[in-house]
Amino acid sequence: GQGVEQPAKLMSVEGTFARVNCTYSTSGFNGLSWYQQREGQAPVFLSYVVLDGLKDSGHFSTFLSRSNGYSYLLLTELQIKDSASYLCAVRDRRYGSSGNKLIFGIGTLLSVKP
Amino acid sequence: EAAVTQSPRNKVTVTGGNVTLSCRQTNSHNYMYWYRQDTGHGLRLIHYSYGAGNLQIGDVPDGYKATRTTQEDFFLLLELASPSQTSLYFCASSPGGAGTEVFFGKGTRLTVV
Repeated sequence: GQGVEQPAKLMSVEGTFARVNCTYSTSGFNGLSWYQQREGQAPVFLSYVVLDGLKDSGHFSTFLSRSNGYSYLLLTELQIKDSASYLCAVRDRRYGSSGNKLIFGIGTLLSVKP
Repeated sequence: EAAVTQSPRNKVTVTGGNVTLSCRQTNSHNYMYWYRQDTGHGLRLIHYSYGAGNLQIGDVPDGYKATRTTQEDFFLLLELASPSQTSLYFCASSPGGAGTEVFFGKGTRLTVV
């Protein structure tokens, strides 16, 4: 079947880094997105990847391995304000020619401690 | 910046009640979506549309109807609300095409008592 899996919680320390993992299974993979969602707020787009490898966007970097059905979001130089949920979403091309259906994981709640 | 506006922001209704959630986007995006978000489930797609008059069924459509009256407006209808539909509902839009960002509204908290 299809699915997107993420750990529910992650804890890290200010000034260090955090890696949020995501695994997925789908026969129609057409890209993967990461969103940040603060408590009580709407998800906000962070990154999109469709090719294997590491995409460095400064504070946020994203890695993808399509053969392993695996991605991670890497946050460096963590700040307290990075505490939020991070949602992994896989785009599946079977749901329309432009593949606009997103399948979301449950989100990983990152807590950054002083 | 893309704007997606939902109303109401909060709603309480009784079991069996009739509820309409409204969503308007002002960026001429083709795609609009309705999601519900529940603890332990993440965001789940209810219905979506790729243009005025179009409706596509999502992953959890039971108990919900939706209508896209214009390019800007997408409505979610609960005609016989049940407590299981108590949730946080998000409307979203995107221009279309693989890799495009999805913009979310601020959400509607619906409670069915």
